[in-house]
Amino acid sequence: SQQGEEDPQALSIQEGENATMNCSYKTSINNLQWYRQNSGRGLVHLILIRSNEREKHSGRLRVTLDTSKKSSSLLITASRAADTASYFCATDGDPTRGGGSNYKLTFGKGTLLTVNP
Amino acid sequence: ETGVTQSPTHLIKTRGQQVTLRCSSQSGHNTVSWYQQALGQGPQFIFQYYREEENGRGNFPPRFSGLQFPNYSSELNVNALELDDSALYLCASTFGQGWKTQYFGPGTRLLVL
Repeated sequence: SQQGEEDPQALSIQEGENATMNCSYKTSINNLQWYRQNSGRGLVHLILIRSNEREKHSGRLRVTLDTSKKSSSLLITASRAADTASYFCATDGDPTRGGGSNYKLTFGKGTLLTVNP
Repeated sequence: ETGVTQSPTHLIKTRGQQVTLRCSSQSGHNTVSWYQQALGQGPQFIFQYYREEENGRGNFPPRFSGLQFPNYSSELNVNALELDDSALYLCASTFGQGWKTQYFGPGTRLLVL
């Protein structure tokens, strides 16, 4: 079953604009991660934010996490055509439990971002 | 590049056949997970191996099985293929257990006819 749900499902913007994608999840987490996928190929890890963090930056990426609302957002500033891809949030397990399946990542359905030149 | 490779890149099989997909992790990555990604969906966890033992499984039937080898390579085997098994299969590796970043391979796209 899907844990995270990204919103919107698709986003189309012009180069130079900012893109914001949101993710909601259902259960307690230890970390939330954002991944990028180009044209149905492998996933590239973008950023990891821990449950005790509220905001994190990496280059043009800014991620926020609100554990009280079980939601996260990914902001890409000054977008480029090369940012065109699908973006997924992924949550891992309940921090009160350990082992095996608990370390799996549970993904949402993703946001398809198109950046027009 | 993540240092994780998968083979083959594409594969076509017919219903009822068996398939083996391969993954080669970074040296030292003793945890490998396999995911299935249907078209338009996010990846779904199949199972995880740690030090050559299955260490967790998602909601997939027993005809999905795996192996992990000491040389940081692993296999995903699927028996009695069904049309719904058509998907992108991704492996992801990391070192040790715990909540860590997983490094994904480029995937194998399987088409079942």
